[in-house]
Amino acid sequence: GAGVSQSPSNKVTEKGKDVELRCDPISGHTALYWYRQSLGQGLEFLIYFQGNSAPDKSGLPSDRFSAERTGGSVSTLTIQRTQQEDSAVYLCASSLDVGSSDTQYFGPGTRLTVL
Amino acid sequence: QKEVEQNSGPLSVPEGAIASLNCTYSDRGSQSFFWYRQYSGKSPELIMFIYSNGDKEDGRFTAQLNKASQYVSLLIRDSQPSDSATYLCAVDNQAGTALIFGKGTTLSVSS
Repeated sequence: GAGVSQSPSNKVTEKGKDVELRCDPISGHTALYWYRQSLGQGLEFLIYFQGNSAPDKSGLPSDRFSAERTGGSVSTLTIQRTQQEDSAVYLCASSLDVGSSDTQYFGPGTRLTVL
Repeated sequence: QKEVEQNSGPLSVPEGAIASLNCTYSDRGSQSFFWYRQYSGKSPELIMFIYSNGDKEDGRFTAQLNKASQYVSLLIRDSQPSDSATYLCAVDNQAGTALIFGKGTTLSVSS
């Protein structure tokens, strides 16, 4: 079946604007994760969903970041009042279930550039 | 602060040689260990996972885990130029709800 998809692939925005990033997980995967990867940095965990709920929001860097997931499928990551330090590649991953043994599969990412 | 450490490289090996990539982690409660490969401008793709101490082989790849030493490694035999990429080591958090990634080791295989 299809892999994880994300849109848009690239987003250029002006400082202070809000952006929405979308992730469509692999069909049947109940767990969904958001990470970001800044230039020269490793992947940084942001948030995960089990179904529609997000038990762990500890990775969100500030209250300007929020995420939701509806219908146990598509998720959106919203960044309000974007700042230049938000520029990064935002990666979404999904797994069959949450747990140490479940492999996460990554989407192609959204490259966000804040001018 | 849970950490995963990798040498950034670059690690340069000639075609046909064995490439050895290493990773250490700080959280003794981690149970699952993953190696991802990331080509420039692309997203990470899973190469191998390992849960138990010892070796796990898959084709040209062998993952090695030593929980007592908190050490994970990836060996790539008969390295090919197409193996040139950044290799990310990832370790689960204790709850199994997220992966903690190292910054990656860049491998360059010359023909």
